[in-house]
Amino acid sequence: AQTVTQSQPEMSVQEAETVTLSCTYDTSENNYYLFWYKQPPSRQMILVIRQEAYKQQNATENRFSVNFQKAAKSFSLKISDSQLGDTAMYFCAFMNTGANSKLTFGKGITLSVRP
Amino acid sequence: KAGVTQTPRYLIKTRGQQVTLSCSPISGHRSVSWYQQTPGQGLQFLFEYFSETQRNKGNFPGRFSGRQFSNSRSEMNVSTLELGDSALYLCASSFTGTRPYEQYFGPGTRLTVT
Repeated sequence: AQTVTQSQPEMSVQEAETVTLSCTYDTSENNYYLFWYKQPPSRQMILVIRQEAYKQQNATENRFSVNFQKAAKSFSLKISDSQLGDTAMYFCAFMNTGANSKLTFGKGITLSVRP
Repeated sequence: KAGVTQTPRYLIKTRGQQVTLSCSPISGHRSVSWYQQTPGQGLQFLFEYFSETQRNKGNFPGRFSGRQFSNSRSEMNVSTLELGDSALYLCASSFTGTRPYEQYFGPGTRLTVT
């Protein structure tokens, strides 16, 4: 079974600065997908970024980028130029491939962006 | 395109009752997954439906069931409600074409069991 660990429950960052959220996972599979989801307070879950395990290049989406270290089973999210609207809970998630694919989530990290 | 919709958004039920939650996926999405979110257990996978068939199931008791209709809309049912069933129930849909592994979530149904 896969597990996803987000060891930092909370983080805080000053507006316009950069912050990195950590995530590690455990799996015996070679092909899989990794995601970061954002859940703002009382609002719905939004897909921030995804990474295919077979791709060595780190995914980027505007101010969001990941550092994917497959051998270390590490998948961190970097948010550049933090904005107040980035305040949310962030979940790291793993998805296996195949017919029985499902998302396995970490516990999440609460990110607060200070003005 | 309209996003994933879930109804109702809020529910209050009494222990022992049953409840049905509904999810309408994004148009063209044929896979619907359900997740339970609680402060203690986090986000846990309940089940996934594709083409009206349950394709995958999480570790939940048989009181939790679901189904999918020919238009891809899905319902989940919880019978004999327990206090521990209080949670945010999230539905997610995905397109099994070019990006089958991207799931898009609805706003959730917040169920409170008293």
